Amino acid sequence: DIQMTQSPSSLSASVGDRVTITCRASQSISSYLNWYQQKPGKAPKLLIYAASSLQSGVPSRFSGSGSGTDFTLTISSLQPEDFATYYCQQSYSTPSITFGQGTRLEIK
Amino acid sequence: QLQLQESGPGLVKPSETLSLTCTVSGGSISSSSYYWGWIRQPPGKGLEWIGSIYYSGSTYYNPSLKSRVTISVDTSKNQFSLKLSSVTAADTAVYYCARLKQWLFSNAFDIWGQGTMVTVSS
Repeated sequence: DIQMTQSPSSLSASVGDRVTITCRASQSISSYLNWYQQKPGKAPKLLIYAASSLQSGVPSRFSGSGSGTDFTLTISSLQPEDFATYYCQQSYSTPSITFGQGTRLEIK
Repeated sequence: QLQLQESGPGLVKPSETLSLTCTVSGGSISSSSYYWGWIRQPPGKGLEWIGSIYYSGSTYYNPSLKSRVTISVDTSKNQFSLKLSSVTAADTAVYYCARLKQWLFSNAFDIWGQGTMVTVSS
């Protein structure tokens, strides 16, 4: 099974900050990496697919990069609505899918 | 606009079978471009993929749950369903259904239901 490890597990930041979240795969997954945002009590929302492609309707302050085993999600300038939990997900071994454990982004 | 809606009992007794249905509206479940999946999230924890199904009926399950999971599809009703047998308290979670879209270099859950909380308790 492919394991996904996110870091950090949580972080505090301020509005306007630039934030980076990392996701590492236990083996190479090429660009088969997606990012989701989840707010409390809500379903996850797809932000980035194929490592760096922005899902329709997602603000351009969100960006993704990486390939192989190491990936990053960057928020260029944090907005109040961005405080949430973020998950990475690999689809290299589709139809078998695994998620990272999540990164909680809190207001400093 | 495609929408997914989970339905089923919110309370299941230990050792019994959890049964949920996802109704797809605003589009056809029989599209060749998508799989359909179930994901769960225990309270305060992360997301766990349970399994996926294609409209043809081909199924794929999380190995850790495979012995207890059955996912089926009813194209005439535009629905797909989840059955999880021999449940325990560890199966208490919010259960989501979602559409798995296929791109060239990824497969991602792009549309989700709102989720339904299922508690396993006597």
